[in-house]
Amino acid sequence: NAGVTQTPKFRILKIGQSMTLQCTQDMNHNYMYWYRQDPGMGLKLIYYSVGAGITDKGEVPNGYNVSRSTTEDFPLRLELAAPSQTSVYFCASSPGGRNQPQHFGDGTRLSIL
Amino acid sequence: ILNVEQSPQSLHVQEGDSTNFTCSFPSSNFYALHWYRWETAKSPEALFVMTLNGDEKKKGRISATLNTKEGYSYLYIKGSQPEDSATYLCAHDQTGANNLFFGTGTRLTVIP
Repeated sequence: NAGVTQTPKFRILKIGQSMTLQCTQDMNHNYMYWYRQDPGMGLKLIYYSVGAGITDKGEVPNGYNVSRSTTEDFPLRLELAAPSQTSVYFCASSPGGRNQPQHFGDGTRLSIL
Repeated sequence: ILNVEQSPQSLHVQEGDSTNFTCSFPSSNFYALHWYRWETAKSPEALFVMTLNGDEKKKGRISATLNTKEGYSYLYIKGSQPEDSATYLCAHDQTGANNLFFGTGTRLTVIP
């Protein structure tokens, strides 16, 4: 049972480059989330989705875009990478409803130089 | 309290000791409080989701309590084992906010 799978695990980007962080889940969860974690800070929500075709901004959405064309996949796109986006990114999913626990992927460590 | 605060930031305990730590959160517009366990090099794993004032939840040697009126939750570990070493995160779901606000965690090290 794979759960939530994120790729890649590590990536180094140059300023101004773009990339897509992939997230897929095999639990048929409706809700999916993208978080970032910076040193000494709690996880902060970037974007979330309550189902295929529906996305919404979280606490720190600037510089990112998402799409949700299927229940399984929720990619996060960085269009013009900036040093401030150096972080560890986590994707999560939950069955639905806001009192459900979230299931996290293993994270993507992204450095922008 | 405007944010979710966890204390202590870190602690070391001897194997077999019991321990507890605190999560404080805004008491207004409370919806749910989540606890997660996060081992190094792994992903956060859900422990509890608590919604009612006075809730107590238990999973093996780990238990949690919730006071929504005063805005805090305690996590207890009875008879700590080295495998309990991890960072314990709490997250607050505030009605209308539609996202979880995470604390920075309490890093527990259990010394054999």
